[in-house]
Amino acid sequence: GQNIDQPTEMTATEGAIVQINCTYQTSGFNGLFWYQQHAGEAPTFLSYNVLDGLEEKGRFSSFLSRSKGYSYLLLKELQMKDSASYLCASMDSNYQLIWGAGTKLIIKP
Amino acid sequence: TAGITQAPTSQILAAGRSMTLRCTQDMRHNAMYWYRQDLGLGLRLIHYSNTAGTTGKGEVPDGYSVSRANTDDFPLTLASAVPSQTSVYFCASSDGGQGGDTQYFGPGTRLTVL
Repeated sequence: GQNIDQPTEMTATEGAIVQINCTYQTSGFNGLFWYQQHAGEAPTFLSYNVLDGLEEKGRFSSFLSRSKGYSYLLLKELQMKDSASYLCASMDSNYQLIWGAGTKLIIKP
Repeated sequence: TAGITQAPTSQILAAGRSMTLRCTQDMRHNAMYWYRQDLGLGLRLIHYSNTAGTTGKGEVPDGYSVSRANTDDFPLTLASAVPSQTSVYFCASSDGGQGGDTQYFGPGTRLTVL
């Protein structure tokens, strides 16, 4: 079956670093997406990885290990506005996204 | 640029009634999608369309139908609503529905079926 696992909730302190993990198991693999979703709003695209390694984009970085079926999203210099849910999604062999339930990130001052 | 719009923003519907959720994009994207999002679950694909004139079933298509008469519009119809269809519905679009294509989401429709 197809499955995406990520922690339900995480708490971090403003200014700190947090890593949100995601493991995936899908029928085929065409890349791993991370989206951010603020409460009551639509998901917005953060990153896409299809090759192993780290992709850095400002304060956010995303890592992929295809052999381990594993990805993480790294958020640096946390700001209060980073309080949101972070959704991991794997693109399967039919180019459909299989979504995790999301990780709610709570930032404390 | 409007991007992708949905209507209505929210709706309360009596069980057994029909309803159409509207979705329009102005990005000339080929692919469009309908998802539902429920607490504790990931986004689940209801129906999709890779190009105008074609549609396909996603993970949870029962009780829903779609059409894609043109590139811009992708309405979702509930023929006879049931309480289990209470959810937040998101429409999304992407350029080609292939690897690496980013999906862009509309603001969502919050539907309550009583």
